[in-house]
Parts: sequence; C-alpha cells; structure tokens
Amino acid sequence: KQEVTQIPAALSVPEGENLVLNCSFTDSAIYNLQWFRQDPGKGLTSLLLIQSSQREQTSGRLNASLDKSSGRSTLYIAASQPGDSATYLCAAKGAGANNLFFGTGTRLTVIP
Amino acid sequence: DTEVTQTPKHLVMGMTNKKSLKCEQHMGHRAMYWYKQKAKKPPELMFVYSYEKLSINESVPSRFSPECPNSSLLNLHLHALQPEDSALYLCASSQDRLAVYNEQFFGPGTRLTVL
Repeated sequence: KQEVTQIPAALSVPEGENLVLNCSFTDSAIYNLQWFRQDPGKGLTSLLLIQSSQREQTSGRLNASLDKSSGRSTLYIAASQPGDSATYLCAAKGAGANNLFFGTGTRLTVIP
Repeated sequence: DTEVTQTPKHLVMGMTNKKSLKCEQHMGHRAMYWYKQKAKKPPELMFVYSYEKLSINESVPSRFSPECPNSSLLNLHLHALQPEDSALYLCASSQDRLAVYNEQFFGPGTRLTVL
C-alpha cells in the first residue's frame, strides 16, 4: 500500500524567507501528485497538480517538483508571507486506485 | 465556477438523531467523494461516486448512507452515530475517474459533533 510521508511535521520561518516542504512516497507508480493547503477547520484548497510525466509545476510564488524515481516531491514557496501560514498536504494518486493517498501534512507558520 | 459547496457548516446531533450533509458542485464533474477528517490527521476516503453510481465504499459503517440524486448533488445521511464519528466531513469532486483528469476540488467541510 502507498505510504506518503511529509517532513517536517511543523515549520516556523520569518516573513520573506524562501522555504521547501518535502513529500515522500513509497510506490513510484503514481498517476499524479497534488499539493493542498488547509487552514484550521477549513476544507482543502488545491495548489498544484503534477502529472506523472511532468517534472514541475509553477503557480505564482509556488513551485512544485516531482521525482518519481526517488519517490519525492517538493513544494517551494518564495518570499513567504504570514498569509501562507496553514497546513500543507501532499497526496499521491496510485495506479488503479480511485482515491488519493495523503501525507500527514506540514504545519507552516510564517512569523511577521 | 470552481467551487464545491457544503451545508451545513456546523452540525451538532445526538446519537438517536437522523441528519443529512449536502454537497453541490456546478463544474460538470462526474466523480464525487466523501472524506472524513479527524483533528491533525489527513482526510480518509469514505465513498466515491462515478457518474452517479457508487463505485467505492471504504468499509464505512452502515450508519453512514451516501446518496447521489443527480450529477451535481451528493448527500450523506447520518443515523445512530457515535461520539467517535465527530469529525470534519469533506466533499470533493473531480472531472472524471480517469487519472489525467483527477484533480480533486474540495468543499469547506461540515464540522460534525455527536453528543
């Protein structure tokens, strides 16, 4: 069964810093990998989706990369802002499955 | 419109009550999902509907009963719940079950408390 891990579980950075969130998955046979943001008590907001044939996707200050062979994805956030404070979840879609395998999340705090 | 809406936002119910959660999307998506999320945990899949037919039931207790009246609506009927069922219930949709279209869009969730 696919296992998805996110390290660190929590991260605090000063405003303006660039940062990287990590996501590791055990089964490289994935169809795509999706990054979400979740504010406390709220639903998930889709940030970026990378298909298995792609290496990276960019949206504004966010850049996500995918390395299937090593079972890793990273989410790069440039020039962090206090409004970026949230929990970030990655989710891998495995071959033949209809659901997403979620990581446990990284709780990000950006300090003004 | 890339929005998934859910009602109610909050629900408090007793163990003998019957209630329903509602989810709606107008993106023309043909796959819809129910997830359950406990505090500080990732979402757990409960049900998947594809073209208005139940395609996946992740061994969910029968006190949870999903319904898909049409391609835009998804309901979750609740009956005789237990306090451990208290959680955030999330609805999601995607264009299709096919992987290439499987970006899932989530609603804001319903915070359920069972007394």
